[in-house]
Amino acid sequence: DAKTTQPPSMDCAEGRAANLPCNHSTISGNEYVYWYRQIHSQGPQYIIHGLKNNETNEMASLIITEDRKSSTLILPHATLRDTAVYYCIVRVGALTSGSRLTFGEGTQLTVNP
Amino acid sequence: NAGVMQNPRHLVRRRGQEARLRCSPVKGHSHVYWYRQLPEEGLKFMVYLQKENIIDESGMPKERFSAEFPKEGPSILRIQQVVRGDSAAYFCASSGTDGGGNTIYFGEGSWLTVV
Repeated sequence: DAKTTQPPSMDCAEGRAANLPCNHSTISGNEYVYWYRQIHSQGPQYIIHGLKNNETNEMASLIITEDRKSSTLILPHATLRDTAVYYCIVRVGALTSGSRLTFGEGTQLTVNP
Repeated sequence: NAGVMQNPRHLVRRRGQEARLRCSPVKGHSHVYWYRQLPEEGLKFMVYLQKENIIDESGMPKERFSAEFPKEGPSILRIQQVVRGDSAAYFCASSGTDGGGNTIYFGEGSWLTVV
């Protein structure tokens, strides 16, 4: 899996958009960008994933640059419950022997009232 | 978390006993992953299984740990002769075969405490 680089921590005001960056400059053509988050003492929660195009779901938006070397996760209206560690992970989409998720250090997002 | 069920949620074992952690994947999923999270540390991959097969066990300790995912029933992570260092949260995840970009969903974890 390609390595990713994320800032160790970020703060965001409640109600504002939270923009979490991720660099993955060595990503391969068949690798997807996945985002998960882990709220303290809970299991990792899937947020969103994408290959080339920008993606949006009920939780967040994922913006992937044209060269695919970086991406941004956007939480449009952050709430206190969005305080968590956010992980950007690159992995192959197909279910092969190398398809495990490899978690890095992630970004600790703190949403402040 | 879309339906991955783990039990027990909390387990206390004395040193030397065996711990068995069970994971029922999302209905219809045939791929299971196990991860371990030591206190104040990150999530570490342990093993990846399909029904009746171990696909990748590169993260499994060489001794005392084993995993299975039988044709029928849940996946089992078994830890023999537990030691205090095995105290951790163990997370199971599952995935289906729904084409490119398969999503992996996690359970809420099993917390093992060795006393």
